[in-house]
Amino acid sequence: GAVVSQHPSRVICKSGTSVKIECRSLDFQATTMFWYRQFPKQSLMLMATSNEGSKATYEQGVEKDKFLINHASLTLSTLTVTSAHPEDSSFYICSASPQYNEQFFGPGTRLTVL
Amino acid sequence: GNSVTQMEGPVTLSEEAFLTINCTYTATGYPSLFWYVQYPGEGLQLLLKATKADDKGSNKGFEATYRKETTSFHLEKGSVQVSDSAVYFCALKEIQGAQKLVFGQGTRLTINP
Repeated sequence: GAVVSQHPSRVICKSGTSVKIECRSLDFQATTMFWYRQFPKQSLMLMATSNEGSKATYEQGVEKDKFLINHASLTLSTLTVTSAHPEDSSFYICSASPQYNEQFFGPGTRLTVL
Repeated sequence: GNSVTQMEGPVTLSEEAFLTINCTYTATGYPSLFWYVQYPGEGLQLLLKATKADDKGSNKGFEATYRKETTSFHLEKGSVQVSDSAVYFCALKEIQGAQKLVFGQGTRLTINP
């Protein structure tokens, strides 16, 4: 149980385009979903916390207009990187939590912006 | 603010060696503590956790004890295997606000046969 999927697992895009990453909780309802960013050989940095049906809460320094988060249902959250640039290349990981309980992590999405 | 400091890697050991990865934390109150493991190309998996002082978390031969007096949560395993090669993250869960996870920088472990 407690499986979280992410799609796509890898994506390569051109600079200036937008990319959408999906995060799904497959066998439980996620009241809260978290989005992290991980640079090579570094730790996970929390980008934002989203609760179903409400606006995401962004961490300091994260541009909310660039990283659009939608948590439209209890099993799906999406992260859209708008007008992506090479510096946005990173490993993006989501996690899902059933009501502030343990977080279950997705496998991650590697974004490469050319 | 809350923070987690881990032993810097990379760590390279031979199979069947004893493993210790140090982790200390700074936090308000008594947070829950976690160890996560990340295998190559994958997301994080919870390895073990402890929610209060003197608790011992254990899983797959790994252990860690919540030490309030030293604010530590060191990860140990008596005999490592090649399959234990991964990156290990120590983390705490804040007890106030949004109860976010705060991660250490990660320690890359390589086990040679």
